[in-house]
Amino acid sequence: DGGITQSPKYLFRKEGQNVTLSCEQNLNHDAMYWYRQDPGQGLRLIYYSQIVNDFQKGDIAEGYSVSREKKESFPLTVTSAQKNPTAFYLCASSIRFQGSLRFYQPQHFGDGTRLSIL
Amino acid sequence: KQEVTQIPAALSVPEGENLVLNCSFTDSAIYNLQWFRQDPGKGLTSLLLIQSSQREQTSGRLNASLDKSSGRSTLYIAASQPGDSATYLCAVAAGNMLTFGGGTRLMVKP
Repeated sequence: DGGITQSPKYLFRKEGQNVTLSCEQNLNHDAMYWYRQDPGQGLRLIYYSQIVNDFQKGDIAEGYSVSREKKESFPLTVTSAQKNPTAFYLCASSIRFQGSLRFYQPQHFGDGTRLSIL
Repeated sequence: KQEVTQIPAALSVPEGENLVLNCSFTDSAIYNLQWFRQDPGKGLTSLLLIQSSQREQTSGRLNASLDKSSGRSTLYIAASQPGDSATYLCAVAAGNMLTFGGGTRLMVKP
C-alpha cells in the first residue's frame, strides 16, 4: 500500500542535542511538507519542498533544517536552536498541482512523531 | 493575515444525534476550504474539499457548506456514531498559504 512512513513514533531530545525525524513516501509525490502541531492549535508549516533539491521555509522554520536529496525522503532536523521543540510533528505529501488543490496543499499525511525534551 | 477559528473546541453528544461543527475565517479571498479528520496520535485524513465557487460538498453522512461572504463553513454530521469520535480540523487555502483551525474534538457516546 502506498503511504507515508514517519519514524520514530516517539523521540526524546536532550539539552543541546540535534535530532532528526524521518519521513519516507512511496506515493511518487513531488511535494512534501513538515508541520508542527501543538495541543489545541492548528498545524503550522515548518518547511516544504516541491521538488528534489529544493525547499522553502514555512511560517516557523527557525531552529529546524531539512534536506531533499531523494524524491521519496524529506528528513527534518530539530536543532538545539529550537528552544521549545516539544510537539507532534507531521509529514505530508502531495502531487504538485491537481485540480483545485494548490501546490502548497498536502493530500496525504504520515502518523506523526511525538518529540519531547528529557 | 488569515485567521481560522473553530468552535466549539470540544463537543460530546449521544449516538444518533445530528451535529454541526463550525469554522470561521477572517479573509474571504480563498481558493478552497478543506475539512480533515484526525484520530488520536495519528495524521490527518481529508474528508471534504470545497472550492471557492462551490456552496457545499457531500460525502456519505457528511455535508460541508461554505459561505465566503460571511467567512464561515460548517461540517454537518448526520446520525453520529461512536466511530465518528475524532478531532475535526478545517483548513483554508488563500494566497500562498494554507491556514489550519485549532480543531473541534468530538466524542460520540454509545
